[in-house]
Amino acid sequence: AQKITQTQPGMFVQEKEAVTLDCTYDTSDQSYGLFWYKQPSSGEMIFLIYQGSYDEQNATEGRYSLNFQKARKSANLVISASQLGDSAMYFCAMRERQNNAGNMLTFGGGTRLMVKP
Amino acid sequence: DAGVTQSPTHLIKTRGQQVTLRCSPKSGHDTVSWYQQALGQGPQFIFQYYEEEERQRGNFPDRFSGHQFPNYSSELNVNALLLGDSALYLCASSPDRGPDTQYFGPGTRLTVL
Repeated sequence: AQKITQTQPGMFVQEKEAVTLDCTYDTSDQSYGLFWYKQPSSGEMIFLIYQGSYDEQNATEGRYSLNFQKARKSANLVISASQLGDSAMYFCAMRERQNNAGNMLTFGGGTRLMVKP
Repeated sequence: DAGVTQSPTHLIKTRGQQVTLRCSPKSGHDTVSWYQQALGQGPQFIFQYYEEEERQRGNFPDRFSGHQFPNYSSELNVNALLLGDSALYLCASSPDRGPDTQYFGPGTRLTVL
């Protein structure tokens, strides 16, 4: 079974509008972390936002917020006031802490976001 | 504050050859992870180094090996290259204690002909 599922291969959004990118995950761990990364065409993965499984509040970082619904195992990224520079691939990733050995990330397949002027 | 750096940027090899990729972690980070990202896919975890030892490994054959040096920098070695090894190789670093967010370098794009 896929651990991280991103069901939207590609999305368009009008400049200045908000957009939600979906992510669902599967884990039996009680302690885990969820991350979103942005990958422009240059290839570098840019960290956007983090949500811990025990965090009660949804994470926010500037125009990025994470809609964390633990019971539904979803961690959707919301980008407000989209800008042309937001056009990129977006990846959801999970860190499980099995036996406290390492912090490997498992990534979803990504969503390509295109912002229209 | 220098971020994660990787070298080289691009590399072209032929089947059967061996390749070494290099990574320097972000200042203050002591854990280095390597990921392979095939075209159109999400990154796949190869392995992670901490205290100069491989701490965690993904589902990759032992043609993929690595090393971490006392200054925390790391190398990824791939032997007997296959066409399917063509990918973007990403290095990420994180601190062992505290927030363990991984920060990525710009990647090395490997093409195997």
